[in-house]
Amino acid sequence: SYELTQPPSVSVSPGQTASITCSGDKLGDKYACWYQQKVGQSPVLLIYQNSKRPSGIPERFSGSNSGNTATLTISGTQAMDEADYYCQAWDSSTAHVVFGGGTKLTVL
Amino acid sequence: QVQLVQSGAEVKKPGSSVKVSCKASGGTFSSYSMSWVRQAPGQGLEWMGRIFPILGITNYAQKFQGRVTITADKSTSTAYMELSSLRFEDTAVYYCAREKSIRLSQGEVATEFDYWGQGTLVTVSS
Repeated sequence: SYELTQPPSVSVSPGQTASITCSGDKLGDKYACWYQQKVGQSPVLLIYQNSKRPSGIPERFSGSNSGNTATLTISGTQAMDEADYYCQAWDSSTAHVVFGGGTKLTVL
Repeated sequence: QVQLVQSGAEVKKPGSSVKVSCKASGGTFSSYSMSWVRQAPGQGLEWMGRIFPILGITNYAQKFQGRVTITADKSTSTAYMELSSLRFEDTAVYYCAREKSIRLSQGEVATEFDYWGQGTLVTVSS
């Protein structure tokens, strides 16, 4: 089955740029999306179709996908961005949804 | 605005079953798939399966095949997830999520969950 791999944790200083990666075999040939989940809350869609932002998502969140890696970039990171982030894609061989293991972003 | 409202927390014995509901409002229920995703304490998100209400077609993750049943009642815009033969490790928050899918370039499907329920805690305890 298809697998997505994320680093367990990423740290960033306020105002700096955070990058969270998601790796999978030929992931660049698929469409990745990203979710933010704060403690005790349901996930929120941040990025879909690799780089599109839903209405209401701040412009500091952006996404890219190429080769074997999708990347979520947070520019000018704020304390409120401290959360868990999950990537997700579609496994075309099974029509199943696959999530990465999640990355805890700490804003120091 | 689409809202997904789930049923309340449950405490179940090992070996029993649980059925969680998810009532949708503000959108066209039958036009999208509804998926169920669970999250064990301190763990990540895990996709369980989906239903496409307009056709009644279901699709389950291999891990839950044979133990999970997802149904939908179009008349009340409500989806249900029933998990049987509960084990301690089934203790988790269970979410319903509206799934938007579109087939794009070279046959690949872009799918994302744009609306989520508030989650239902299912505790399996003896």
